[in-house]
Amino acid sequence: GAVVSQHPSRVICKSGTSVKIECRSLDFQATTMFWYRQFPKQSLMLMATSNEGSKATYEQGVEKDKFLINHASLTLSTLTVTSAHPEDSSFYICSARYRNYGYTFGSGTRLTVV
Amino acid sequence: DAKTTQPPSMDCAEGRAANLPCNHSTISGNEYVYWYRQIHSQGPQYIIHGLKNNETNEMASLIITEDRKSSTLILPHATLRDTAVYYCIVRDGGSNYKLTFGKGTLLTVNP
Repeated sequence: GAVVSQHPSRVICKSGTSVKIECRSLDFQATTMFWYRQFPKQSLMLMATSNEGSKATYEQGVEKDKFLINHASLTLSTLTVTSAHPEDSSFYICSARYRNYGYTFGSGTRLTVV
Repeated sequence: DAKTTQPPSMDCAEGRAANLPCNHSTISGNEYVYWYRQIHSQGPQYIIHGLKNNETNEMASLIITEDRKSSTLILPHATLRDTAVYYCIVRDGGSNYKLTFGKGTLLTVNP
């Protein structure tokens, strides 16, 4: 149980375009989801926390207008990277909190901006 | 958020126990300790979590000191597939209960 499905697993986009990443909880309702970014040889960096039906809370230094997060239902959160640039190339990972103590992670999305 | 300190790397022989230490001296009374691991280019995988008592599951054991300022993750019989980066995380006690990752320990299991 407590599976999170993240799509796409890999995406290549042109500089200046937007990319949407989906994160779905398959067998539970996720009131809270988290989005992380990971650069090569570095740890996961929390970008934002999203709660169903409300605006996301962004960590310091993360541009909310560039990384749009939507959590419109209890099973789906999306991250849209707008006007992507090569420096946005990274590994993006979502996570969902279930019950009180559980956290499950998606398999990640490798974004390459060319 | 309570910070954690882990050694950057460790080695372990296949079949032996791997003991991964973590210091979290600023942990507060209601903050849980979580352990996750990440194999290259995959999402983190849950291992175990605990508050005060020692915990054991099919993957590992978690030993938390009485003062809760440190803990040890024990993989009883390490295999080559256990090679990964292991993260010790103290869960934020705030309303969103976010998990903030530190640098972790790269455990290499050698044949």
